[in-house]
Amino acid sequence: TQLLEQSPQFLSIQEGENLTVYCNSSSVFSSLQWYRQEPGEGPVLLVTVVTGGEVKKLKRLTFQFGDARKDSSLHITAAQPGDTGLYLCAGSISGGYNKLIFGAGTRLAVHP
Amino acid sequence: ETGVTQTPRHLVMGMTNKKSLKCEQHLGHNAMYWYKQSAKKPLELMFVYNFKEQTENNSVPSRFSPECPNSSHLFLHLHTLQPEDSALYLCASSQIGEKLFFGSGTQLSVL
Repeated sequence: TQLLEQSPQFLSIQEGENLTVYCNSSSVFSSLQWYRQEPGEGPVLLVTVVTGGEVKKLKRLTFQFGDARKDSSLHITAAQPGDTGLYLCAGSISGGYNKLIFGAGTRLAVHP
Repeated sequence: ETGVTQTPRHLVMGMTNKKSLKCEQHLGHNAMYWYKQSAKKPLELMFVYNFKEQTENNSVPSRFSPECPNSSHLFLHLHTLQPEDSALYLCASSQIGEKLFFGSGTQLSVL
């Protein structure tokens, strides 16, 4: 069974704090994606990482793919209330997007 | 606006009812998907359609019946559901092999 474990499950922080969420597996993925899902909406793709050790930045968000392509992290610097949401990681075994394996998500609340 | 529209947004049904969920995409994509999202569980892929042909059925019970009449429309017909089927049902579309665009989902409650 291919599983993606996300941690922590819940995170409640104050505006301006930094945080890191993790996505771990025993399986090797050809690519890994991060999504953010806001209440009442579907997930929205933030980034795709493909190469082991790859680091991508999206404004205050930094995504890293592990060297062995089994894990990933998302670091947010100086969190804002607008960062509140459910962060999901999803891995692709085959390289395409047809059969993604999702983690259960990290629910982030950033308080003013 | 993601270009993927799902209706209804909320649905409450009894176990003996028959209902349908509808998904429409305005992005010119050729693949459509149904996912189930239960509380505290990972998204589960249910069905995949490429060019209107079903290419994936992830061991979904027969009380869920998908229909894809064309590349822009996807339905999920529901009958004799169980309370444990209560969840957010998400539709997504893509060009085959490319990134997914999700709709806002239908929040289903089975009483």
